[in-house]
Amino acid sequence: QVQLVQAGGEVKKPGASVRVSCKASGYAFSSFYMHWVRQAPGQGLEWMGLINPSGGSTLYTQKFQGRVSMTRDTSTSTVYMELSGLRSEDTAIYYCARSIIDWSLPGYFFDYWGQGILVTVSS
Amino acid sequence: EIVLTQSPGTLSLSPGERATLSCRASQSVTSGYLAWYQQKFGQAPRLLIYGASRRATGIPDRFSGSGSGTEFTLTIGRLEPEDFAVYFCQQYRSSSPTFGQGTKVEIK
Repeated sequence: QVQLVQAGGEVKKPGASVRVSCKASGYAFSSFYMHWVRQAPGQGLEWMGLINPSGGSTLYTQKFQGRVSMTRDTSTSTVYMELSGLRSEDTAIYYCARSIIDWSLPGYFFDYWGQGILVTVSS
Repeated sequence: EIVLTQSPGTLSLSPGERATLSCRASQSVTSGYLAWYQQKFGQAPRLLIYGASRRATGIPDRFSGSGSGTEFTLTIGRLEPEDFAVYFCQQYRSSSPTFGQGTKVEIK
């Protein structure tokens, strides 16, 4: 069965960087986009961007341009999201989420999600 | 950016009752590129509906989606105890997906 397993929580100081991982199993890793979506405490969901595991191309939402980097390791079916210049507003649960690759669709919806990882930014 | 506004913020109902949740878009979500998710406390969201009305794999038929243009609805036919949760709509009409702020369905 499809599983997206994320690493444990992190506490970071303002200005630092955080790297979170998402290991996929149960499906053809390179055949689906992987996205990162975050949720601040008690808030809604915010899409950050995606990586195409086949080739490694990325698309980031403008809000995070210059601060986020998404990479993948096809040998371990793992994607990574690194966010730099952390501030308190970045405190959130970070989810990886999968979407189909369908060129006929203008956007993406998410059929499987990781369990989420809490990143806390605090001095 | 397409802004999604969900209403009501909270819906207080009893098990067995029907729930009707609304999602309004700031501009037309053509071709019904709208999805609905359920999120229980401390869990990741779960896909319920995509394409405005298509149930995802394994989703019970008491969940149904409808609507077009700027007005969409998620209906839960008869609430089961496990259905009390927060529900989000999400548009994929643009390459930058956006979510509504959520509707909480709570036990009355």
